[in-house]
Amino acid sequence: DAGITQSPRYKITETGRQVTLMCHQTWSHSYMFWYRQDLGHGLRLIYYSAAADITDKGEVPDGYVVSRSKTENFPLTLESATRSQTSVYFCASSEKLAGHEQYFGPGTRLTVT
Amino acid sequence: AQSVAQPEDQVNVAEGNPLTVKCTYSVSGNPYLFWYVQYPNRGLQFLLKYITGDNLVKGSYGFEAEFNKSQTSFHLKKPSALVSDSALYFCAVRDMMNNDMRFGAGTRLTVKP
Repeated sequence: DAGITQSPRYKITETGRQVTLMCHQTWSHSYMFWYRQDLGHGLRLIYYSAAADITDKGEVPDGYVVSRSKTENFPLTLESATRSQTSVYFCASSEKLAGHEQYFGPGTRLTVT
Repeated sequence: AQSVAQPEDQVNVAEGNPLTVKCTYSVSGNPYLFWYVQYPNRGLQFLLKYITGDNLVKGSYGFEAEFNKSQTSFHLKKPSALVSDSALYFCAVRDMMNNDMRFGAGTRLTVKP
């Protein structure tokens, strides 16, 4: 079934560990995004990518690394997880920017202990 | 940078009554405006958007929103609420001059039978 998928859906990790969240889309959308959702803050953009090998920082990029070697995949890595990175992470994609809506994955709930 | 305000954390309405979820925005240029809905443990789903043209836009599930440039608002409305409309609603804005999309903090809509 076409769409945007995220894995894992739930993850518990310890402070200081590296963790990678995966995102895969089947629409061949050019743009992909990573957001975190926290109570009272709505969604905040971490990183986005305009195409393979093109990435840029969003509002809250510190502590995160992204890569995009293939159009369909956009993994997000927490290099050394901290408790403040406990959150729900959403991946999204869109065909273009401007007036185009984004399509969201189901989210990954990450807990850092 | 652009910003979005959703002044109500919670909106309660009775089934069959009209509903309004408020959104105001701030951009330096002209805005692209979006509404998304989030059901429990799911990603955000696109409802509707304003790009240009008619100030009243219609979207999925009978929702509509009115763009008011003078009041910098984009309130979401529905003439007759359903219990199944109960969810978290997010307003988002993108300035035509840059690539950032900013989301509001969200409004929880509860429709009671």
